[in-house]
Amino acid sequence: DGGITQSPKYLFRKEGQNVTLSCEQNLNHDAMYWYRQDPGQGLRLIYYSQIVNDFQKGDIAEGYSVSREKKESFPLTVTSAQKNPTAFYLCAGGGVNTGELFFGEGSRLTVL
Amino acid sequence: EDQVTQSPEALRLQEGESSSLNCSYTVSGLRGLFWYRQDPGKGPEFLFTLYSAGEEKEKERLKATLTKKESFLHITAPKPEDSATYLCAVQATDDYKLSFGAGTTVTVRA
Repeated sequence: DGGITQSPKYLFRKEGQNVTLSCEQNLNHDAMYWYRQDPGQGLRLIYYSQIVNDFQKGDIAEGYSVSREKKESFPLTVTSAQKNPTAFYLCAGGGVNTGELFFGEGSRLTVL
Repeated sequence: EDQVTQSPEALRLQEGESSSLNCSYTVSGLRGLFWYRQDPGKGPEFLFTLYSAGEEKEKERLKATLTKKESFLHITAPKPEDSATYLCAVQATDDYKLSFGAGTTVTVRA
């Protein structure tokens, strides 16, 4: 089995701490994405990458950082600069510029 | 700015009671409209892509249709396993990023 694997599934963080969410894929997708989902709102794009060693800001990139050192991996760091980090975070992969995405099962981050 | 509005926010159906979900969109030029299904605590699962007005796609009890301003997801004779949140997203011709609606949560009672 495989696809898009996110970890951890649940994460608790104290205010002021950075935390990194893992996203790994074995589907050979060129493009990978990070979305944030809040109750009553649509998915919002944080960052995306279409090729190794390159990534672009999405609509809500402030307070987040990413890296794409390997095609298979696209970790997201939620920094202390993110003012409201409690949310459900979703990683996705797909072809470049396609809207048909494969999502992971998500990571729920709670700031205590 | 691209906008996607889904209605209703929630829909409660009896098993076998057919209904439709609406996705209204505003986009400069439509590259594609996408439907996803999301189960509680899980990531969305891709269902359909629609590219042009008049196009229809079907999968089991689900049928998606597209006009120039909106898309409908018709659920025919739903079963409890069709309970989920259904998300709509659009992709514009001048921007490959997806704009998602907030979703419609469907609950089907046996």
